Amino acid sequence: TQLLEQSPQFLSIQEGENLTVYCNSSSVFSSLQWYRQEPGEGPVLLVTVVTGGEVKKLKRLTFQFGDARKDSSLHITAAQPGDTGLYLCAGRPAGNKLTFGGGTRVLVKP
Amino acid sequence: DAGITQSPRHKVTETGTPVTLRCHQTENHRYMYWYRQDPGHGLRLIHYSYGVKDTDKGEVSDGYSVSRSKTEDFLLTLESATSSQTSVYFCAISGSGGNNEQFFGPGTRLTVL
Repeated sequence: TQLLEQSPQFLSIQEGENLTVYCNSSSVFSSLQWYRQEPGEGPVLLVTVVTGGEVKKLKRLTFQFGDARKDSSLHITAAQPGDTGLYLCAGRPAGNKLTFGGGTRVLVKP
Repeated sequence: DAGITQSPRHKVTETGTPVTLRCHQTENHRYMYWYRQDPGHGLRLIHYSYGVKDTDKGEVSDGYSVSRSKTEDFLLTLESATSSQTSVYFCAISGSGGNNEQFFGPGTRLTVL
């Protein structure tokens, strides 16, 4: 079983602060995805990174895939209360299955 | 939004009773998945399907069975529910090709007393 470890498990910050969530594994993934989930809803795909070293930006969110394709990070600049949610990373080792991390719960206080 | 519905959305049942959860899609996607989500465990794959009547086990398949008789429907059955199966269950779909980006349903909250 290929494991994905997310850290921290919980993050509470004030509006306007920056935050970074990490997703680490000892295994190589062909691609890695980030999802955000709000209470009572299913996860929603934010981004897919495929190439080692790749950086993708989605407004105030920056996603990076490690050079060795074993780890990833999500950085949020000037967080807003609307960024509150559960952030999940998911790695695709091969084929059509994903391995999910345990999630990072982010709370942005106004 | 991907057209995925799950039914029921909430269910309370007793230990030992059979339970079937339904996932319905209108996207004609080939792949369908059932996950359970529990605190501290993220999403864990129960079973998945790669076509009509083609299914395979995930990492937590014990106590669960699935069926897919039509492209649009994927059923998850708990033959004899146990309290350890109390969880939130999510269905997901993905198409062929790409990077297996998955689209999730709204979830079913199941409580086994």
